[in-house]
Amino acid sequence: ILNVEQSPQSLHVQEGDSTNFTCSFPSSNFYALHWYRWETAKSPEALFVMTLNGDEKKKGRISATLNTKEGYSYLYIKGSQPEDSATYLCAPYNQGGKLIFGQGTELSVKP
Amino acid sequence: DADVTQTPRNRITKTGKRIMLECSQTKGHDRMYWYRQDPGLGLRLIYYSFDVKDINKGEISDGYSVSRQAQAKFSLSLESAIPNQTALYFCATRGQGRNQPQHFGDGTRLSIL
Repeated sequence: ILNVEQSPQSLHVQEGDSTNFTCSFPSSNFYALHWYRWETAKSPEALFVMTLNGDEKKKGRISATLNTKEGYSYLYIKGSQPEDSATYLCAPYNQGGKLIFGQGTELSVKP
Repeated sequence: DADVTQTPRNRITKTGKRIMLECSQTKGHDRMYWYRQDPGLGLRLIYYSFDVKDINKGEISDGYSVSRQAQAKFSLSLESAIPNQTALYFCATRGQGRNQPQHFGDGTRLSIL
């Protein structure tokens, strides 16, 4: 079982603030890393799938970086908006074909 | 129509009852998964399947069984429900290849009294 740590557990910011979260995972046998956005009362939706060391992906105001050698990924949100409020999950994917989800970072953005 | 459909969406039942949660998908994916979500514990994998004849246990398979009736259908059964199986259950599918994300159903909220 992979040990996946996400920090912080929760974050409260004001509209317009930029923020970032961390996902750490064992660097051995790395295959891919997934990020998901999970809004209350909805199902998780994929943000990024990252596979290469040094990968950087961007979707609008959200971006992510990946360091497979040291086993971490950062998710950044620039200029947070209330609609960014959600739980952000990371999940490393091993060659056994299954994702192991972290507990998530719960983001609350106040207007 | 949703790509991944779970039924029922909500269910309240009593201890000892047999319950089946159903999942169907229109994405044509081979890989299907069942997760449960409990507050503070994140998503935990119950069972997964890579093909109709392939069934694999996840982290927390005790008390559950699954059936992959067809490529598009993957059902989860609780043979004799107990209160600590009260949770939110998600089905997910995934295509082959390391770049493929998972696609989740809307979830089934199960309460066992």
